[in-house]
Amino acid sequence: DGGITQSPKYLFRKEGQNVTLSCEQNLNHDAMYWYRQDPGQGLRLIYYSQIVNDFQKGDIAEGYSVSREKKESFPLTVTSAQKNPTAFYLCASSYLQGGYTFGSGTRLTVV
Amino acid sequence: GENVEQHPSTLSVQEGDSAVIKCTYSDSASNYFPWYKQELGKRPQLIIDIRSNVGEKKDQRIAVTLNKTAKHFSLHITETQPEDSAVYFCAAREDGGATNKLIFGTGTLLAVQP
Repeated sequence: DGGITQSPKYLFRKEGQNVTLSCEQNLNHDAMYWYRQDPGQGLRLIYYSQIVNDFQKGDIAEGYSVSREKKESFPLTVTSAQKNPTAFYLCASSYLQGGYTFGSGTRLTVV
Repeated sequence: GENVEQHPSTLSVQEGDSAVIKCTYSDSASNYFPWYKQELGKRPQLIIDIRSNVGEKKDQRIAVTLNKTAKHFSLHITETQPEDSAVYFCAAREDGGATNKLIFGTGTLLAVQP
C-alpha cells in the first residue's frame, strides 16, 4: 500500500513502558522521517535519517529513539521518558531531494 | 531554523467556489514548497509542489504561487468539489536543500458544502 508500511495501526501503552513503532519501505528511498501529529499542531519532526547508520534529531526528539540499520527500515521507540506520547505517528520516506511518501500512521494511546 | 505559518485554520466554501490557503516561511534559503492533502483517517498525500525558481505552477484545478521576496506561498483550488474536503498542509524545505527536511504548517481544514 503505497510502498511504505507502518505497523501496528493502533497501539496501547501502559505508563512506564517503552514501545516500538515499525516503518518499512520498498521504494528504494534514501531518506526516512518520523513525524508526530497532534490536533491543531500540524506535523512535527521527531527524527530523520538520510543514510543507513546515521540519523538526526528533529524538533521534538526528547523521549524518542530510532535506529537505521537497513535502508528499508526506520523503527521508532517511544520511551518512558516521553511524558505525553498519545498521538498519531507518521513515517515518511523520500529520495534525497523531493516530496515525501507517507505511511498510513500508527495511533498510540497511553492507558 | 525554519518556521512555517499557515492560514486560515478552517475554511468553509460552497461547492463550485474557489479556496485559497496561505503560508509564510522564515528561512530565505528555503527552496522547495510542497502541499499535502490529508483526508480523514488517511495519510497525507502530495498534491502539488513548487521550487524557488518558479513563481507559479498549475495542475488542473490546483495552483500554487510563490512570492520569494515576501516569503509566502499560496494554494488555490478552483471549482471546489465535496471530495476536496480535507486538511491541507503546506511545508518548506529547510537548509536550502542540504537535507530534505520539511517543516510543516499547522494545517487548514477545508469543508466544501454541497
